[in-house]
Amino acid sequence: QVQLVQSGAEVKKPGSSVKVSCKASGGTFSSYTLNWVRQAPGQGLEWMGKIVPLLGAGNYAQKYQGRVTITADKSTSTAYMELTSLRPEDTAVYYCTRVANGANYFDYWGQGSQVTVSS
Amino acid sequence: SYVLTQPPSVSVAPGQTARIPCEGNNIESKSVHWYQQKAGQAPVLVVYDDIVRPSGIPERISGSNSGNTATLTISRVEAGDEADYFCQVWNSRSDLNYVFGTGTKVTVL
Repeated sequence: QVQLVQSGAEVKKPGSSVKVSCKASGGTFSSYTLNWVRQAPGQGLEWMGKIVPLLGAGNYAQKYQGRVTITADKSTSTAYMELTSLRPEDTAVYYCTRVANGANYFDYWGQGSQVTVSS
Repeated sequence: SYVLTQPPSVSVAPGQTARIPCEGNNIESKSVHWYQQKAGQAPVLVVYDDIVRPSGIPERISGSNSGNTATLTISRVEAGDEADYFCQVWNSRSDLNYVFGTGTKVTVL
């Protein structure tokens, strides 16, 4: 059974950065794909990017290119999502999710991390 | 990019059947996955690869996919089924690898 445990809520100023963590347990961390999905208040789900820890490089939706960096630390089975140049519209719940090897759906989700951007 | 359209809301009486459509161009050529999200909680996968239920998901929940519409069906609706439901596909032809539907709020009357 895979568990994804995320870091807590953050309040940030516009223009600053936030780094959210996601610690995985169960399964083989290096082999599956970890993704980040966000949900603005009252809105739908939006995929931001992914990383395969075994390969190391992140892959991002064009909308977030240049602002988001996804990394993974295999020694601690933890993935990170850093978003820079924050704007009020980045206020959202950020979820880490897993895609199993060979699949294209999200079978495990973290509990979500609230990020609020406000002056 | 590929667009998935869902009705904003569906209302259903307890014991009846709720059908949630997800429309996309030639969606039958893709595998469709569905998530249930209850208020204040993370989404939960309820159907994958059009018709498969993960372990622990009741048989009352089923999926289908044909033409330009995939459908999530909830039979014998219970109060606990009240939630938002999102469809999702993998889009290999775009940088936006994973596309979600707009979401449907199911209200149990």
